[in-house]
Amino acid sequence: AQKVTQAQTEISVVEKEDVTLDCVYETRDTTYYLFWYKQPPSGELVFLIRRNSFDEQNEISGRYSWNFQKSTSSFNFTITASQVVDSAVYFCALSEVGVLDSGGSADGLTFGKGTHLIIQP
Amino acid sequence: ETGVTQTPRHLVMGMTNKKSLKCEQHLGHNAMYWYKQSAKKPLELMFVYSLEERVENNSVPSRFSPECPNSSHLFLHLHTLQPEDSALYLCASRGTVTGELFFGEGSRLTVL
Repeated sequence: AQKVTQAQTEISVVEKEDVTLDCVYETRDTTYYLFWYKQPPSGELVFLIRRNSFDEQNEISGRYSWNFQKSTSSFNFTITASQVVDSAVYFCALSEVGVLDSGGSADGLTFGKGTHLIIQP
Repeated sequence: ETGVTQTPRHLVMGMTNKKSLKCEQHLGHNAMYWYKQSAKKPLELMFVYSLEERVENNSVPSRFSPECPNSSHLFLHLHTLQPEDSALYLCASRGTVTGELFFGEGSRLTVL
């Protein structure tokens, strides 16, 4: 069975600090996708990134970066020079790739419990 | 116009009421989902529709009844709910190629 663990329930940092959100996953599949979502107070989950299990290159998008380590089953998310607008709940998620490309079946994503990130001014 | 729209955004109902949540997606996706988000719990997948057919029902009580009349619309019919059903109900859609889910803003349900 798939499982996603976000051990950090809540993180509070002062603005401009760097912060890393941890994500550890479990899956029996050799091919899968990993995701990060942001949930601001408005409630909508905003898609941030999707990574397939064959691509272990780290990715950077502005102040956001992601470190995928297949050997440790981790997909950590770092925000550099944090801002108050980054305050939100962040979710890591996992999905099996075979289902995604089948076109017929459509399994959902398995989410972690989320990390509540508070950026203090 | 946003990709996935949910109405109503807020709903308060008694345990004997019947109400419905509506979801509409404008992304041309062929899969739609209902998730439940309760306080201090992970997101729970409730129902999945693919090509307008239900493909997953994760042991959801029968007081929740989904309906997918076409690939753009998804409903969640509610009847005789319990106070513990109070939660944020999130709708999502998925394109078959990219795989990420696109979520609506959710419907905040309070059962009195």
